[in-house]
Amino acid sequence: EVQLVESGGGLVQPGGSLRLSCAASGFTFSIYWMHWVRQVPGKGLVWVSRINSDGSSIRYADSVKGRFTISRDNAKNTLYLQMNSLRAEDTAVYYCARHGDTAMDNWFDPWGQGTLVTVSS
Amino acid sequence: SYELTQPPSVSVSPGQTARITCSGDALPKQYAYWYQQKPGQAPVLVIYKDSERPSGIPERFSGSSSGTTVTLTISGVQAEDEADYYCQSADSSGTVVFGGGTKLTVL
Repeated sequence: EVQLVESGGGLVQPGGSLRLSCAASGFTFSIYWMHWVRQVPGKGLVWVSRINSDGSSIRYADSVKGRFTISRDNAKNTLYLQMNSLRAEDTAVYYCARHGDTAMDNWFDPWGQGTLVTVSS
Repeated sequence: SYELTQPPSVSVSPGQTARITCSGDALPKQYAYWYQQKPGQAPVLVIYKDSERPSGIPERFSGSSSGTTVTLTISGVQAEDEADYYCQSADSSGTVVFGGGTKLTVL
């Protein structure tokens, strides 16, 4: 079964840091691009970042550029999101999601169950 | 920045057809994708490449495209289809964008 499981969310103070992890199983993780998408509770989906299969190509949304870092460890089948200088507006459920079968297949399937990040003093 | 526009809500009675639209200037050149999200759950892909249906998605879900608008159609709506639906695409630079979401209510 193809599965993505996020972890690492929690409560953090403004200006603090947090690292999210996404453990992949049931597929060949090393050949797929991966993404992070976030959702403020009760609001819509917002794309955050993506990384290609070997980590050589990375993109970020403008709202997190310079503060968040996406990375992956293909040997551990794990995707990461290092979040620094966190702000209240970063509060959201963070989902990892697998990219489509090729670089041109810009869909997300499957998604993890999400991990909640709360930035508050 | 590039935007995809969806109606905030759509309501239909069971057995009727629900149509959810998504508009965006780049849609004639970029594929659209649709996700279903039920409360407390992660999104699920229901349509890819404008009109393709992933395995396991019921046949009552279909997608179409015309110019700058794509449409998700749910034929014979069932109570279990009540959810939020999001369209997604990319702009010319490849940046991913989601629509604001449409809440489907089954009356």
